[in-house]
Amino acid sequence: GDSVTQMEGPVTLSEEAFLTINCTYTATGYPSLFWYVQYPGEGLQLLLKATKADDKGSNKGFEATYRKETTSFHLEKGSVQVSDSAVYFCALKDRGSQGNLIFGKGTKLSVKP
Amino acid sequence: ETGVTQTPRHLVMGMTNKKSLKCEQHLGHNAMYWYKQSAKKPLELMFVYNFKEQTENNSVPSRFSPECPNSSHLFLHLHTLQPEDSALYLCASSQPDRDSNEQFFGPGTRLTVL
Repeated sequence: GDSVTQMEGPVTLSEEAFLTINCTYTATGYPSLFWYVQYPGEGLQLLLKATKADDKGSNKGFEATYRKETTSFHLEKGSVQVSDSAVYFCALKDRGSQGNLIFGKGTKLSVKP
Repeated sequence: ETGVTQTPRHLVMGMTNKKSLKCEQHLGHNAMYWYKQSAKKPLELMFVYNFKEQTENNSVPSRFSPECPNSSHLFLHLHTLQPEDSALYLCASSQPDRDSNEQFFGPGTRLTVL
C-alpha cells in the first residue's frame, strides 16, 4: 500500500541554520504531496503542496520539490527561525482515491536562539 | 469564523463517563475526518465521512461512536474509555473532488481519561 517515510527526529538547529527534512514515498499512482506543520498546542496547518512531478511548493521560506525519479519531497529552508520550532508532517494523496491523506510519522524541529 | 472549530479544547473524563467532541467547519466542504494523535505515535485516521456517509472506519473500538448530521458538523461520542485513549483528537475537512484534496484541521481536543 501507499506509504510515507520521514527522517526520524528530533532535529535541533541554531537560528539561521539550513534545514532539510527528508521525505520519501511509495505510491502506485501519481500522488499529490504535502507538508503540514503543527505548532505547539495547535492542529495541523498546510505548509505547502505539489500536485505533479517537478512542481515546487513554497511558503514562508520553506520549499519542497516533487521528485518522481527519486520518489521524494524533501522540505528545505535556507535560514530557520526560533518560530519555526514545530512538528512537520509529510503526506500524500493518491489520485483517484477517496481522497484520504497518508501521513508520515512527523519530525520535530527545535530551533535555538 | 475560522475554518474548522473544535469544542471543547480540553476534556478530562473518568472511565465511566459519557462525553462528546464536536467539530464544525465553515468551508463548504463535503468530507470530514477524525484523527487520533498520541505521543510518539503516527497520526491515526479514525473515521471519514463523505456527504454525511461514513466511508471509512479504521478498526476503531466501539467505545468511539461518530455522528455526522450534516456536512458541516461532526461529533465523536465517547463512553467507557480507557486511559490509553488519552490523546489529541483532531478533526479535519476537505473537498474530495478537488485534485489535491487539501485537508484543513481544527485545533484539536486534548482528552485525558483518568
